[in-house]
Amino acid sequence: KQEVTQIPAALSVPEGENLVLNCSFTDSAIYNLQWFRQDPGKGLTSLLLIQSSQREQTSGRLNASLDKSSGRSTLYIAASQPGDSATYLCAVKGGSEKLVFGKGTKLTVNP
Amino acid sequence: NAGVTQTPKFQVLKTGQSMTLQCAQDMNHEYMSWYRQDPGMGLRLIHYSVGAGITDQGEVPNGYNVSRSTTEDFPLRLLSAAPSQTSVYFCASSGLDRNNSPLHFGNGTRLTVT
Repeated sequence: KQEVTQIPAALSVPEGENLVLNCSFTDSAIYNLQWFRQDPGKGLTSLLLIQSSQREQTSGRLNASLDKSSGRSTLYIAASQPGDSATYLCAVKGGSEKLVFGKGTKLTVNP
Repeated sequence: NAGVTQTPKFQVLKTGQSMTLQCAQDMNHEYMSWYRQDPGMGLRLIHYSVGAGITDQGEVPNGYNVSRSTTEDFPLRLLSAAPSQTSVYFCASSGLDRNNSPLHFGNGTRLTVT
């Protein structure tokens, strides 16, 4: 059974800092890994999708990497801003129809 | 571009009552799904559909029914509400290539069962 873990559960940083969020998964037989952002009281917004054959994806100040063999992904946020404060979730898709989600990392960027 | 629209945003039910959570998407996505999000449990898949007329069970289907008569709509029915169904419910959809299409979420329905 696939399990997805995100550490730490919460992270607080000063504005302008570069930071890394971690995601690990137990079964390396995945089709893709997605990173989402969730603001309080809102749904999830897809940030980046990395296919199993890819090593990384970039969008603006965000860079996500994938190492299938070690079961790890990282989300790198450059020059963090208070508007980046949110909960970040990763999810992996295997052969079944469901995405398996981690429980998220709650990020607070302090002005 | 509305994306995925869920109604209502909030709902309070008494135990035993039934209701339908509505979900509509305007992106012509074939894949649609329902998740519930609970503190400490993360997101869990309830039901999903890979196209009109086709539905299947997810991880936690008991107490819920779905149907998919059109590509756009995927309602979730609670047959007889129980306090254990108090949760935030999210509808999500994605394109034909589900392995490489990002999942789009609605803003959720917060349900309380008393």
